Amino acid sequence: AQSVTQLDSQVPVFEEAPVELRCNYSSSVSVYLFWYVQYPNQGLQLLLKYLSGSTLVKGINGFEAEFNKSQTSFHLRKPSVHISDTAEYFCAVRNIETSGSRLTFGEGTQLTVNP
Amino acid sequence: DAGITQSPRYKITETGRQVTLMCHQTWSHSYMFWYRQDLGHGLRLIYYSAAADITDKGEVPDGYVVSRSKTENFPLTLESATRSQTSVYFCASSESLGGGIHEQYFGPGTRLTVT
Repeated sequence: AQSVTQLDSQVPVFEEAPVELRCNYSSSVSVYLFWYVQYPNQGLQLLLKYLSGSTLVKGINGFEAEFNKSQTSFHLRKPSVHISDTAEYFCAVRNIETSGSRLTFGEGTQLTVNP
Repeated sequence: DAGITQSPRYKITETGRQVTLMCHQTWSHSYMFWYRQDLGHGLRLIYYSAAADITDKGEVPDGYVVSRSKTENFPLTLESATRSQTSVYFCASSESLGGGIHEQYFGPGTRLTVT
């Protein structure tokens, strides 16, 4: 079984500042890693995913994440945030060996961008 | 409209009542999922389905029933609603072709309140 820990439940930042949302996972097997974003009153949508290859993954809206196998982390970063980035962000993992696209989600991090 | 839809978007019901949440997708995706979202818990998988007539339990299946007689529909039934089932429910779907990793697409959610 795997688990995901998002280390910060809330992250307030000012517009145009950089941000990092932290995600650590625990798994006895190799995993795929995902970040999803949820805007207010909407469903989740995929920001980016790590399957294999380069450990730096670029996603939509200027976000990127870096997979660090030794630290079992997959932190999400953006160099300069906008008001419109205010949302809840979820890190998720999937066991490589299982079929069916089952995901295990973290508890979420609420990013609030202030003017 | 194309995509994944959920109905109703909002529902208030009384303890002990049966309630069914509907999920419909137009992509003919093989996999469908039901999650509940609660503060402090992120998203937790209730049930999922690999294809029509194939369903399996997730992390928190107790008190819920699912069926999948058609590929495009995946209703979730609370047979006797309890206050602890007050939550936001999300349906998702994904394809699974040739072992590839496909993202999950989420519906807009159903906010259920059990009084």
